[in-house]
Amino acid sequence: ETGVTQTPRHLVMGMTNKKSLKCEQHLGHNAMYWYKQSAKKPLELMFVYSLEERVENNSVPSRFSPECPNSSHLFLHLHTLQPEDSALYLCASSQEPSLAGELFFGEGSRLTVL
Amino acid sequence: GENVEQHPSTLSVQEGDSAVIKCTYSDSASNYFPWYKQELGKGPQLIIDIRSNVGEKKDQRIAVTLNKTAKHFSLHITETQPEDSAVYFCAARGSNSGYALNFGKGTSLLVTP
Repeated sequence: ETGVTQTPRHLVMGMTNKKSLKCEQHLGHNAMYWYKQSAKKPLELMFVYSLEERVENNSVPSRFSPECPNSSHLFLHLHTLQPEDSALYLCASSQEPSLAGELFFGEGSRLTVL
Repeated sequence: GENVEQHPSTLSVQEGDSAVIKCTYSDSASNYFPWYKQELGKGPQLIIDIRSNVGEKKDQRIAVTLNKTAKHFSLHITETQPEDSAVYFCAARGSNSGYALNFGKGTSLLVTP
């Protein structure tokens, strides 16, 4: 148990569906992240939020839409995805985004786009 | 931007032997180098990290060494056990990385009894 909970753990969706991934952290951290993990590729940072404000967006397509309503919750809204978007989506949190410190990851949401 | 190369991609060792994983980075101003372990079905978990003002750090059976001149750092696991089997990722934080850690592609370590 890392203190970061992601739901759902598995999601299968068609290209025309709209779905959302949810992340909740119980660590009192100020920063939350979305990472994409694909086979044989490095972890890719997608979005960073600090105190509910988006501070980084790594050229992610607009079919991925993040939302951070408070410092404990982070969502990734998905719509009109492509099969190549199938991957493990990892949420993480840290004390502060600007300091070199530990990232605490959730167990991930395995997304399959048909 | 920062580029992190990690080798080998797979590593198989006998229980009790040592395992070494190596990473190189491109940004000479990088100052933070963590190692994460990812077990099957779980998210990555930090196991050890080192900052650029230190050459070596040890925590029980794991150690990390950093060579700033050559721009490489390594993870050493001694007396390996089957529960060490996992995917290990190195990462580097460059001076121009913003908030990003740049990860290597990972090393799948298998420790056989």
